[in-house]
Amino acid sequence: AQTVTQSQPEMSVQEAETVTLSCTYDTSENNYYLFWYKQPPSRQMILVIRQEAYKQQNATENRFSVNFQKAAKSFSLKISDSQLGDTAMYFCAFMTFLMNYGGSQGNLIFGKGTKLSVKP
Amino acid sequence: DAGVTQSPTHLIKTRGQQVTLRCSPKSGHDTVSWYQQALGQGPQFIFQYYEEEERQRGNFPDRFSGHQFPNYSSELNVNALLLGDSALYLCASSLSPSGIGREQYFGPGTRLTVT
Repeated sequence: AQTVTQSQPEMSVQEAETVTLSCTYDTSENNYYLFWYKQPPSRQMILVIRQEAYKQQNATENRFSVNFQKAAKSFSLKISDSQLGDTAMYFCAFMTFLMNYGGSQGNLIFGKGTKLSVKP
Repeated sequence: DAGVTQSPTHLIKTRGQQVTLRCSPKSGHDTVSWYQQALGQGPQFIFQYYEEEERQRGNFPDRFSGHQFPNYSSELNVNALLLGDSALYLCASSLSPSGIGREQYFGPGTRLTVT
């Protein structure tokens, strides 16, 4: 069974500094996708960044980047120039592709999350 | 462009009762997934609907059932409610087929409290 582990329940960072959130996963699949989702307090979960396992290049979205180490099954998120609005729960998630379901999407498997606080 | 909407926002039920939660997907999306998020935990997959059929199911008992309508909206039904069913229920929509790895857009959730 696939599992996602986030070993940092809580982290804090000063505004404008850089922080890295850790995520490891376990799977025997070769084709899969990895995501970081952000869930602000009492607000909707939104996608921060995604990575296709077949791509060696690490994904980047503005201030957010990942360090994807496929052999180590590691997928960390780096937030540069942290802003107060980055305060949220961050979830690492994993998705496989299901050939036997007519091409429909696999489901997301989430870690337990890391609560990030950005301090002024 | 309306995003994913869910109703109701909050719900309080008594043990043993039944509840129905509703979800309207983002415009253009045809696949709906439901997740249960207990307090302080990550979301757990309940099931996914595509073409009005349940396509995948997580490790949830048969008390949890669902439906997808021709307009792609979906319902989650939970029978014989237990205290442990108290959680935030999230609906996510996406586009399939060929939606491999495509983003799932989440709704704001329905907070269910079972007393």
